[in-house]
Amino acid sequence: GAVVSQHPSRVICKSGTSVKIECRSLDFQATTMFWYRQFPKQSLMLMATSNEGSKATYEQGVEKDKFLINHASLTLSTLTVTSAHPEDSSFYICSARDFRSGGSTDTQYFGPGTRLTVL
Amino acid sequence: SQQGEEDPQALSIQEGENATMNCSYKTSINNLQWYRQNSGRGLVHLILIRSNEREKHSGRLRVTLDTSKKSSSLLITASRAADTASYFCATAYGNNRLAFGKGNQVVVIP
Repeated sequence: GAVVSQHPSRVICKSGTSVKIECRSLDFQATTMFWYRQFPKQSLMLMATSNEGSKATYEQGVEKDKFLINHASLTLSTLTVTSAHPEDSSFYICSARDFRSGGSTDTQYFGPGTRLTVL
Repeated sequence: SQQGEEDPQALSIQEGENATMNCSYKTSINNLQWYRQNSGRGLVHLILIRSNEREKHSGRLRVTLDTSKKSSSLLITASRAADTASYFCATAYGNNRLAFGKGNQVVVIP
C-alpha cells in the first residue's frame, strides 16, 4: 500500500529558530503533497498545496514567508517553519496524492504527523 | 471552501455496540471520505463514497450519503476497543484539496 513518512516525529526547539519537516512518499510518486496543521482536539486545517517543481499554493491566512515549502522531487516535500514562536507549536501532518490515480476522486495518503513544540 | 462538519458529539460505547456518527457539508461534491485518527497519529483512510452512490460497505463500516440533504453517516458495527479514535469526514474541492469536519471522538469501552 501507499506509505507516507514524516521526519522528525517530534521536535522541540527554541523560539526564533527554524525547523524543517520532511514528508516522503515511500512507494509511489506524488506530484502533489498537502500540508495540514492540527491543534489539540481540533480538525485538520489545510495550510498549503505543494506541487513538484513549482511554487506551493498557500491557503488564505497562511504566511508563505513563515512556512516555506519545497517540493524538490516526486517523493519529497519539506515544510520549514521559520523563526518559530510558541504559537507555532502544533501537530503538522502531510499527505500525498498518488500520481498514478489521477482524476479528482483519488485518495490522499497521510503521514504520521510531526509534533512541534516551540519553547 | 466547503466544509464537512460532523455533529459535535463524543461517543462512549461498550464493546460490541454500534457507533454512528454524522457529517454535513455545504456545497456539491464529487465524493466524501471518512478518515480515522488515533491519538497523536496521522490519518487513516477508511472509505470513500462517490456522489452517485447512496451506501457503501467495507468490513464493519457502513457509509451512507444523502446528497439532497448534503449529509453522510458512518456506522461502525460490533465495535472493538481498537476502534477508539477520532473520525473525520472530508470533502474534496478545487485542485484535490480536502476540507475536514470537526471530527467525532469515539471511545469503545472493553
